[in-house]
Amino acid sequence: ETGVTQSPTHLIKTRGQQVTLRCSSQSGHNTVSWYQQALGQGPQFIFQYYREEENGRGNFPPRFSGLQFPNYSSELNVNALELDDSALYLCASSISGVGGVGGYTFGSGTRLTVV
Amino acid sequence: SQELEQSPQSLIVQEGKNLTINCTSSKTLYGLYWYKQKYGEGLIFLMMLQKGGEEKSHEKITAKLDEKKQQSSLHITASQPSHAGIYLCGADPAHSFQNSNSGYALNFGKGTSLLVTP
Repeated sequence: ETGVTQSPTHLIKTRGQQVTLRCSSQSGHNTVSWYQQALGQGPQFIFQYYREEENGRGNFPPRFSGLQFPNYSSELNVNALELDDSALYLCASSISGVGGVGGYTFGSGTRLTVV
Repeated sequence: SQELEQSPQSLIVQEGKNLTINCTSSKTLYGLYWYKQKYGEGLIFLMMLQKGGEEKSHEKITAKLDEKKQQSSLHITASQPSHAGIYLCGADPAHSFQNSNSGYALNFGKGTSLLVTP
């Protein structure tokens, strides 16, 4: 059983550019959530995808968008990058309808630096 | 919206000492999760508490949820260098895990950074 895999691990982009981050969910998981974690802060929920549709969104602007594919993998796209977008982006997969213990499996994250 | 406040922000303890981290919610907790994060890495699930008064233990870590379900504590007994990291509490703000048609999103506290010295 594989865990959650994120790519790339590190990325440096220039302000105004666009970036795509990728996530492969854990085998058997059908829901993917994305979180942004700024330095010294807890993760902030960006959005969640279930059955290839957005299934909930946090307080993030529309320039943060995503996709989920039939194999449940996912992408996070950020347009018009700003310096404040520099953060660790975490992907977490889960099984819809299964709440409770250990429901989320987190990836190791992508460290995005915007200069 | 639900706010989770963790205390202390950071902690340095000598190896072998006990320690406690607290997580206080502004609203009733319907599911309280404890995660550990090594610096710059992903989150590792520790424990999940749902019922008021519930207590769970794993190895030397014990987590409790108070009767009113607004505060949780994480206690580490006889700390070791391997316990070092950031401890995060997370809560399901809408207890959406009960909804069979959706997953659930978590609100997190800012974390408690733990350093264990030899």
